[in-house]
Amino acid sequence: QLLQSGGGLVQPGGSLRLSCAASGFTFSDYAMSWVRQAPGKGLEWVSGITAPGGSMYYADSVKGRFTISRDNSENMLSLQMNSLRAEDTAVYYCAIGGVYRGMDVWGQGTTVTVSS
Amino acid sequence: IVMTQTPVSLSVTPGQPASISCKSSQSLLQNGGKTHLYWYLQKPGQSPKLLIYEVSRRFSGVSERVSGSGSGTDFTLTISRVEAEDVGVYYCMQGKHLPFTFGPGTRVDFK
Repeated sequence: QLLQSGGGLVQPGGSLRLSCAASGFTFSDYAMSWVRQAPGKGLEWVSGITAPGGSMYYADSVKGRFTISRDNSENMLSLQMNSLRAEDTAVYYCAIGGVYRGMDVWGQGTTVTVSS
Repeated sequence: IVMTQTPVSLSVTPGQPASISCKSSQSLLQNGGKTHLYWYLQKPGQSPKLLIYEVSRRFSGVSERVSGSGSGTDFTLTISRVEAEDVGVYYCMQGKHLPFTFGPGTRVDFK
């Protein structure tokens, strides 16, 4: 199970941190990813991190602004989002996998709104 | 990598088959033999769910009515007899070339 938290309303240029608490599986064995969906739009892969946390990958649209991280001792995945823009407004999903494999379990999603 | 899907939307008669095409701008075949093409279904108001991985492997719990095929750059998702639970938006996704990318989606509903 993946339980997400941390969404909300933020002004352009602001920061937000999303969290994804994992349970029911050996978190440290799996790569993890973030995927987002802008209002009325399709899915966009945002970022992924390998199981040990040594390699992180990003979409071009967020590179340099977002940072993915994980704490395998706490079974927690995070996405630190800085310099937020209106186009980052979306529902953000965390998911198991997504780094050279399918995403087989998804969180419930958390809404991020970037607006003044 | 650009992923394209056709059709954009599909209205089907319950019990009839449905087919969605997905094309990638580059081959998704990995050196080791795996092809990183996945299919997801997002039902209204829900998180997406994995249906098919590596072109044709059905994920746990997915109906046998759902199947995937294809190779290289051309792929197809087929539902043999569409039922109510199949309504939603279907996305293909490539997981070989960073950044990973989704197709634009195909909306399936009933006539």
